[in-house]
Amino acid sequence: NAGVTQTPKFRVLKTGQSMTLLCAQDMNHEYMYWYRQDPGMGLRLIHYSVGEGTTAKGEVPDGYNVSRLKKQNFLLGLESAAPSQTSVYFCASSPGRVIAGELFFGEGSRLTVL
Amino acid sequence: SQQGEEDPQALSIQEGENATMNCSYKTSINNLQWYRQNSGRGLVHLILIRSNEREKHSGRLRVTLDTSKKSSSLLITASRAADTASYFCATDVSGGYNKLIFGAGTRLAVHP
Repeated sequence: NAGVTQTPKFRVLKTGQSMTLLCAQDMNHEYMYWYRQDPGMGLRLIHYSVGEGTTAKGEVPDGYNVSRLKKQNFLLGLESAAPSQTSVYFCASSPGRVIAGELFFGEGSRLTVL
Repeated sequence: SQQGEEDPQALSIQEGENATMNCSYKTSINNLQWYRQNSGRGLVHLILIRSNEREKHSGRLRVTLDTSKKSSSLLITASRAADTASYFCATDVSGGYNKLIFGAGTRLAVHP
């Protein structure tokens, strides 16, 4: 049982390039989330999804787009990368609403934008 | 602005000592969760305490919640070197949202 898998684990981009981070979960969870983690700031929610075909904005959505075409996958896209998007990105999933229980996290994707 | 804030930012102790970390938050919550993150890894859920609970235990972990003070504490008893990690509190915001808001974390170092 792999849980939550993120690819790629590391990526270096030049300013203006685009890329997509893939998150896959094999727990049949309804809810999925993308967070970014920066030093001294904890985790901040970028976008989330409450089910296949749905997405919603979190705290820091600007510069990112997401898609949830399949229940098990949640994609995070950067259309035109900026140095401010250098961060570690974490995907998480939960079976239901957070009021009911915990989030399950992937191992993270470290992105550097030069 | 962040919902949860941990205190202290960093804590250094010897093996066998107890470690206490505090979390304060700003708005009403349904539950509060604590997570652990080892260096370079993802977050792992430790414990969840609901707003109508005051204390909860799990192994060497003890969590308290004081909703009147909007604060929580995580106590790790008889700490081990393997407890070295960052610890985060996370709160869900009452009012229909489905989001966990994380604090900046406490970095715990346990020395052998």
